[in-house]
Amino acid sequence: NAGVMQNPRHLVRRRGQEARLRCSPMKGHSHVYWYRQLPEEGLKFMVYLQKENIIDESGMPKERFSAEFPKEGPSILRIQQVVRGDSAAYFCASSSGTGYTEAFFGQGTRLTVV
Amino acid sequence: KNQVEQSPQSLIILEGKNCTLQCNYTVSPFSNLRWYKQDTGRGPVSLTIMTFSENTKSNGRYTATLDADTKQSSLHITASQLSDSASYICVVYTGTASKLTFGTGTRLQVTL
Repeated sequence: NAGVMQNPRHLVRRRGQEARLRCSPMKGHSHVYWYRQLPEEGLKFMVYLQKENIIDESGMPKERFSAEFPKEGPSILRIQQVVRGDSAAYFCASSSGTGYTEAFFGQGTRLTVV
Repeated sequence: KNQVEQSPQSLIILEGKNCTLQCNYTVSPFSNLRWYKQDTGRGPVSLTIMTFSENTKSNGRYTATLDADTKQSSLHITASQLSDSASYICVVYTGTASKLTFGTGTRLQVTL
C-alpha cells in the first residue's frame, strides 16, 4: 500500500511561470490537505479538499493559487505567475476521514523560484 | 486566535540522555493532539494521537502527556539516539474546522 505520493520532489520555475504540484493520496483516502512550509518555519495550512469539493481554503492566498481534487486522478495545487516568495516546501496529507483518523504526509515538493 | 506554541525552539543533547519537549495550545474546540517527527527534507510522520480523555500515550521511547485543563502537552524521549535528530511538531485538530493547526516545532539534535 503506497503512501502519499507527491511529485515532482523538486521543481524549479522562473518568475512568472506556472507551477503544478501533484498529490496522490493513499488508497482509500478521500480527504486531502495542502500545507506550505517556508524555510525555518512551521507548516501552514492552505486548503482542505474532498473529492471534487473544496471544503476549506482559508489558508490559500487570494490570488494566483488554486487547488482541485477531481473524481479521478491526483489533487493538484496550481500556482500561477510564481514569485520568489513562493519558494517553499509544499506538503500534502491525506486521510480516510476527519476527527481521530490519522493523516499521512507525503515527502513534499520543494519549489524554487529563480 | 488558535495557536500552538512549542518550547524550546531548539535543543542539543548527548546520545543516551532523556529530554522533554513542551507544547501549549489555545486551539478551541479541541478534538485531539498529535506529535509528529519531521526529518530534514522529509514529510512529517505521526508519533502519537491523544484525545481529550487520554493523559499519557507511549510509542517505544516516545511518551506523550496531555493536560486538557491547562492545555499543555509534552513529549518525552528516553535514551536518545542519533536518529532522533529531527524537528518535533505538536499539532492540534479542531473538530469543527476540519484542519490541523501546527506548532513551529522543536529542532532536536542528538550528538555523540
